[in-house]
Amino acid sequence: EVQLVESGGGLVQPGGSLRLSCTASGFTFSTYDMHWVRQATGKGLEWVSAIGTAGDPYYPGSVKGRFTISRENAKNSLYLQMNSLRAGDTAVYYCTRDPGGLTGWYFDLWGRGTLVTVSS
Amino acid sequence: SYELTQPPSVSVSPGQTASITCSGDKLGDKYACWYQQKPGQSPVLVIYQDTKRPSGIPERFSGSNSGSTATLTISGTQAMDEAVYYCQAWDSFTVVFGGGTKLTVL
Repeated sequence: EVQLVESGGGLVQPGGSLRLSCTASGFTFSTYDMHWVRQATGKGLEWVSAIGTAGDPYYPGSVKGRFTISRENAKNSLYLQMNSLRAGDTAVYYCTRDPGGLTGWYFDLWGRGTLVTVSS
Repeated sequence: SYELTQPPSVSVSPGQTASITCSGDKLGDKYACWYQQKPGQSPVLVIYQDTKRPSGIPERFSGSNSGSTATLTISGTQAMDEAVYYCQAWDSFTVVFGGGTKLTVL
């Protein structure tokens, strides 16, 4: 079955760190760009990071310098290391697959998400 | 930074045509896509590269993109189409989402 499964979410104090993981199955993981997208409760979607097939990372200004995306193709896995967490980072974090390549980024497969709560 | 604007809500009667717009500066020069999200579920891609439908998406979903506006059109809207719809574009290695439109079928 083609799927993405996230893990690693939980409760963390402000200023703390958390590492999210995403395990892919059913497709050739190494040939796809991958992203993280988050959604605060009752709010819209927000792009968090991207990583190309060559391992090149991209971030929006809101997380640049605090979050690090990485991938391990041998394990069909995507990661998001989140440091200096803030209350505003509280959200469900989705792992997504991007088949767009040079035609632009979009997401044809989403995981079920993992909840990150930043609170004291 | 680039922004996409959607109406917060759209209402449609069953069997009628629903149109949801997404506006952004010179959006027609970029590719737009659309996602459907039902309560408690992950988003689902319904239109990509302006007009293309992924496998499994009903033909009643269609898209267009010109000038500064992309439009998602749902023909013969069904009750199961009630959801929040998000547009999305890509600009300078940054992903941008619209704020979402709640489609109510009544």
